[in-house]
Amino acid sequence: SQQGEEDPQALSIQEGENATMNCSYKTSINNLQWYRQNSGRGLVHLILIRSNEREKHSGRLRVTLDTSKKSSSLLITASRAADTASYFCATKGQGAQKLVFGQGTRLTINP
Amino acid sequence: DTGVSQDPRHKITKRGQNVTFRCDPISEHNRLYWYRQTLGQGPEFLTYFQNEAQLEKSRLLSDRFSAERPKGSFSTLEIQRTEQGDSAMYLCASSLALPEAFFGQGTRLTVV
Repeated sequence: SQQGEEDPQALSIQEGENATMNCSYKTSINNLQWYRQNSGRGLVHLILIRSNEREKHSGRLRVTLDTSKKSSSLLITASRAADTASYFCATKGQGAQKLVFGQGTRLTINP
Repeated sequence: DTGVSQDPRHKITKRGQNVTFRCDPISEHNRLYWYRQTLGQGPEFLTYFQNEAQLEKSRLLSDRFSAERPKGSFSTLEIQRTEQGDSAMYLCASSLALPEAFFGQGTRLTVV
């Protein structure tokens, strides 16, 4: 079963609005990453946050991590039509040699 | 293009046939991963190589699946006697060290 669970599974908003996606995980992690996947394509790395960080920014992206609640959120500000994609969180457990992905959030930005 | 390359991008096969996919990682990356992704789901780990050694295999990797990385460079994933349930996107990723992993565009398999 997947370690990460994203919420919501699908999100549809108007261009210019902010989009927030959440991810929960079960075990201790070293870090958590967010990836984007356009329809039928591979995954593109967006941002990584380490377990000792609480918040990180990259352009229009803001990621938070709450290790006590085992959860993370991805905020995309001032959304654009090009942000339409699926977004996945991925975790790497301590000592693990692989990334474990959540189910993803399908984000649709309406023009 | 110096990214991860996968071939073919699409494969349609009849049930019972064997298929083989290829992945060319980023040249200096010693770690290579295979994932499977079904529609509407996240990628699921299949197997991991460090150089030519296959160090971890998921229980998802049944006896019909085999992966190789003979010289520690490119990798192949073979599915024997394909079933309709094998229809999925097969993703390859490479890295020097986690957490950074770089993914290819994937091979979409359709078993009819």
